[in-house]
Amino acid sequence: ETGVTQSPTHLIKTRGQQVTLRCSSQSGHNTVSWYQQALGQGPQFIFQYYREEENGRGNFPPRFSGLQFPNYSSELNVNALELDDSALYLCASKQKATGSENEQYFGPGTRLTVT
Amino acid sequence: GEDVEQSLFLSVREGDSSVINCTYTDSSSTYLYWYKQEPGAGLQLLTYIFSNMDMKQDQRLTVLLNKKDKHLSLRIADTQTGDSAIYFCAESVLNDMRFGAGTRLTVKP
Repeated sequence: ETGVTQSPTHLIKTRGQQVTLRCSSQSGHNTVSWYQQALGQGPQFIFQYYREEENGRGNFPPRFSGLQFPNYSSELNVNALELDDSALYLCASKQKATGSENEQYFGPGTRLTVT
Repeated sequence: GEDVEQSLFLSVREGDSSVINCTYTDSSSTYLYWYKQEPGAGLQLLTYIFSNMDMKQDQRLTVLLNKKDKHLSLRIADTQTGDSAIYFCAESVLNDMRFGAGTRLTVKP
């Protein structure tokens, strides 16, 4: 069984640029969530996708957007990058609508630095 | 600010028990979780407990839940140096998962 994978592992961008982060869900998982983890803090929920539709959103502005594809892989897009967007971005997946839907597994994260 | 609160640091000797405490705010939380994060890595799911349970034991890990006080704890028996990491408590509410700021556990030989 393949775990959650994310790419790239590290990324450096300049303020005002746009970035796309990618995630492959664990095999058999149909739900993906994205989190932002600033240094020294816990992860903050950005949004969740289920069956290619946004299925819940945290307190993040519209310049944070996402996609989920038919194979359940996912992208996080951030436009007009700001310095405060520097963080570890975590993707997590789970299988909704089964007995194990409470088990959510995280990828290793993408470390984004905005200069 | 965080809705889920944890103490920031805990230091124990190898072989002792560690107890990490957490308080949460949402009484409608269905599941409560403990995750472990090692330096430079993602979050590893350690264990979770359904909100109608008081206790769950899984090998060296014991989770205690006091729903009345909204208090969750994680006890690690026979703590090893490999247990040194940051431990996050989290509550699930609808499609959201809210995390505490994490407790950094240091295990001294």
